[in-house]
Amino acid sequence: DQQVKQNSPSLSVQEGRISILNCDYTNSMFDYFLWYKKYPAEGPTFLISISSIKDKNEDGRFTVFLNKSAKHLSLHIVPSQPGDSAVYFCAASPAPWNKFYFGSGTKLNVKP
Amino acid sequence: DTAVSQTPKYLVTQMGNDKSIKCEQNLGHDTMYWYKQDSKKFLKIMFSYNNKELIINETVPNRFSPKSPDKAHLNLHINSLELGDSAVYFCASSQVSSGLSYNEQFFGPGTRLTVL
Repeated sequence: DQQVKQNSPSLSVQEGRISILNCDYTNSMFDYFLWYKKYPAEGPTFLISISSIKDKNEDGRFTVFLNKSAKHLSLHIVPSQPGDSAVYFCAASPAPWNKFYFGSGTKLNVKP
Repeated sequence: DTAVSQTPKYLVTQMGNDKSIKCEQNLGHDTMYWYKQDSKKFLKIMFSYNNKELIINETVPNRFSPKSPDKAHLNLHINSLELGDSAVYFCASSQVSSGLSYNEQFFGPGTRLTVL
């Protein structure tokens, strides 16, 4: 029973263009959402977060959008760079101190 | 200067053996976790310790036993290893305190366990 889903296993984008990674969740109690980036043979590293009191959070080239009514969040990377090529995981939780549920990840490939 | 370290990075062993994976964090965090990344790439939490106290214990077989000797260490011991235990195991840590909006977890590099 996967409560967080990333339905696109992979995404390929040209350098300089926008990358949009999507994440859907089923539990309406989720209020905290995190995005992680993972390179091969490394652990995930925190990228950006959002809570349900906001619908957008921006950090440099990375913006996360949250649509609570649709139970959907997305990560936008603009402009995409080859160094962004990695697997991106979204994670959700009812509260910061509760466990986080992770999606299965989307592998992003940014072509030079 | 490694924040969260795990040893070993690779572990190949036979069915039925007992093995341990060690995790250490030097971030001064109060909470540590063990995750399992299965063949479908989902990261699933197994255990969480806050200040050496078990706070999350997911439905994992009794063969898995976490041990937290102090706040900076959380080891995972697995008895009677089975083929299905083959996965990548990640340790993570975070500072969970009231008033903090986000529970940013710092992950170790992972331990790839292969059971033959």
